[in-house]
Amino acid sequence: EVQLVQSGAEVKKPGESLKISCKGSGYSFTSHWIGWVRQMPGKGLEWMGIIYPGDSNTRYSPSFQGQVTISADKSISTAYLQWSSLKASDTAMYYCVRHVADDYGDYWGQGTLVTVSS
Amino acid sequence: DIQMTQSPSSLSASVGDRVTITCRASQGISNSLAWYQQKPGKAPKLLLYAASRLESGVPSRFSGSGSGTDYTLTISSLQPEDFATYYCQQYYSTPPRTFGQGTKVEIK
Repeated sequence: EVQLVQSGAEVKKPGESLKISCKGSGYSFTSHWIGWVRQMPGKGLEWMGIIYPGDSNTRYSPSFQGQVTISADKSISTAYLQWSSLKASDTAMYYCVRHVADDYGDYWGQGTLVTVSS
Repeated sequence: DIQMTQSPSSLSASVGDRVTITCRASQGISNSLAWYQQKPGKAPKLLLYAASRLESGVPSRFSGSGSGTDYTLTISSLQPEDFATYYCQQYYSTPPRTFGQGTKVEIK
């Protein structure tokens, strides 16, 4: 059974750094693109970017390029999303998503709620 | 980037109704379109891909059609568990894979 299990909710202050995780199981982690989708409170879905864990090839949405870093550790089947300096506007639910090729998502994690507040 | 516009943004319908949601792309996307369902507090779920192909396990009352820039999601007979928000997503050409703004289907 394919599963994506994300790390728990985070509460951070503006300016702090953060790295959230997504562990894949039940499939070949290195053979599928895995990405991140943001959902701000009460809003729609925003595609942030994807990574191919097999070779770490990464593609970002222009809206998120330079704002976040997507990485993966194939030895532990885990993808990451990180920020170097959080802003209040980063407050959102973040979903990791296994992709079919680099196209659409067929399996989603349960989501990680990130709250940034002073 | 390719922009996706869904309509309507919300609708009210009754159990048993036929419901249609439209998604329009800012340029042709050659059927490179997926539809998702999201219930409150839950992660989205893939319903269809390639505009009209039903994901495994999804009820056959869901169907998709369209071509070029215009696509539709149809629920042939709305069931109580179908009240949710629906999103389209294009995956044509290079990323980003943009979503529509969502359509909330509410109980009438």
